[in-house]
Amino acid sequence: DAGVIQSPRHEVTEMGQEVTLRCKPISGHNSLFWYRQTMMRGLELLIYFNNNVPIDDSGMPEDRFSAKMPNASFSTLKIQPSEPRDSAVYFCASSSAYGQGVINEQFFGPGTRLTVL
Amino acid sequence: SQKIEQNSEALNIQEGKTATLTCNYTNYSPAYLQWYRQDPGRGPVFLLLIRENEKEKRKERLKVTFDTTLKQSLFHITASQPADSATYLCALGEGSSNTGKLIFGQGTTLQVKP
Repeated sequence: DAGVIQSPRHEVTEMGQEVTLRCKPISGHNSLFWYRQTMMRGLELLIYFNNNVPIDDSGMPEDRFSAKMPNASFSTLKIQPSEPRDSAVYFCASSSAYGQGVINEQFFGPGTRLTVL
Repeated sequence: SQKIEQNSEALNIQEGKTATLTCNYTNYSPAYLQWYRQDPGRGPVFLLLIRENEKEKRKERLKVTFDTTLKQSLFHITASQPADSATYLCALGEGSSNTGKLIFGQGTTLQVKP
């Protein structure tokens, strides 16, 4: 397996533009997590899905952020409109932890470095 | 309020010595705790898992302890090598249900000097 795939790896955009980040989890994993990492705040959980259903979006900063998981092999995180304070590295991670009765680790993608000018 | 604290300052040690990293938490009751390693420009990579009913886990040169009374986990790297230089993150797993959700600490950067 190629691991968790994220695209794009780098994104530079101007304030007010829409940004869409994409994630393909590891095949067979049933949990997907979106994180944001900054120097100030560390690695923050934004939202996670179990079996394609959003379970907890309490970490989403505000209504400008939205996430979808239309099927088991694809998820998007959208920011509209983007602001300079959204600049960060966004990670997607997947896991087979949910409902299996065991505790499994999360596998992280390489991240998308977002810069909003 | 809930808080996870890791050494904010970088830890610098000499090659061959044992590195000890600390993870303290307040107002959490985690069922388990995981440690991850993160290299610059990359996503975190899983290292070790320890459950609340376990005191210690080992994997090669790595050892982790978990004290639910002190609300603390210690992560040790014995016979450290320059290749161990990275940022190490602790993550708490909630106990109420097995959702797989983790809450991460800010991480401690380890620098091993040859």
